Amino acid sequence: AQSVTQLGSHVSVSEGALVLLRCNYSSSVPPYLFWYVQYPNQGLQLLLKYTTGATLVKGINGFEAEFKKSETSFHLTKPSAHMSDAAEYFCAAGYNNNDMRFGAGTRLTVKP
Amino acid sequence: ETGVTQTPRHLVMGMTNKKSLKCEQHLGHNAMYWYKQSAKKPLELMFVYNFKEQTENNSVPSRFSPECPNSSHLFLHLHTLQPEDSALYLCASSQLTGELFFGEGSRLTVL
Repeated sequence: AQSVTQLGSHVSVSEGALVLLRCNYSSSVPPYLFWYVQYPNQGLQLLLKYTTGATLVKGINGFEAEFKKSETSFHLTKPSAHMSDAAEYFCAAGYNNNDMRFGAGTRLTVKP
Repeated sequence: ETGVTQTPRHLVMGMTNKKSLKCEQHLGHNAMYWYKQSAKKPLELMFVYNFKEQTENNSVPSRFSPECPNSSHLFLHLHTLQPEDSALYLCASSQLTGELFFGEGSRLTVL
């Protein structure tokens, strides 16, 4: 069955440090790939998406992700963490209009 | 208003109550979704509607009953729920690109 795996349910970084959140999908056919962010008591907000074309995708708030077909990965990065980045991050893979699979989420903590 | 709006934001109900969650999207999308978000679990897709027609029911118990009167509105009718149904219920909409636009969710507590 198609699935999305996020390695690490909690990630903690210091302010100014690199943020790396990992995501792998299981599928022989590359899906559409997404990263969403969820702040407390809010819904999910799209950070960035990969559909076709350039494999390095830039999103909002300085985040970017790289699609690597050979590794079936779509890891999310940000060069320098800010306190406001503390939130929960979800990776998702869309296989058609109705089949969007979400990872379990990674909670990012940013230490002063 | 813009985007996806959910009401109420918070709901507390007893196991014998009947209540409804409402979702409205102002984006002109043709698909609407209900997701359940429980602590420490991935988002669970519950229902999908395309052009007002239900295209997916992800083995959801019958105590949850969706209704989609038009492509802009989606309801989730709740009756005789269990405490384990307490969760954040998220509505989303999309066009054919598959990108989901989420509402802020309705936090449900079943006593």
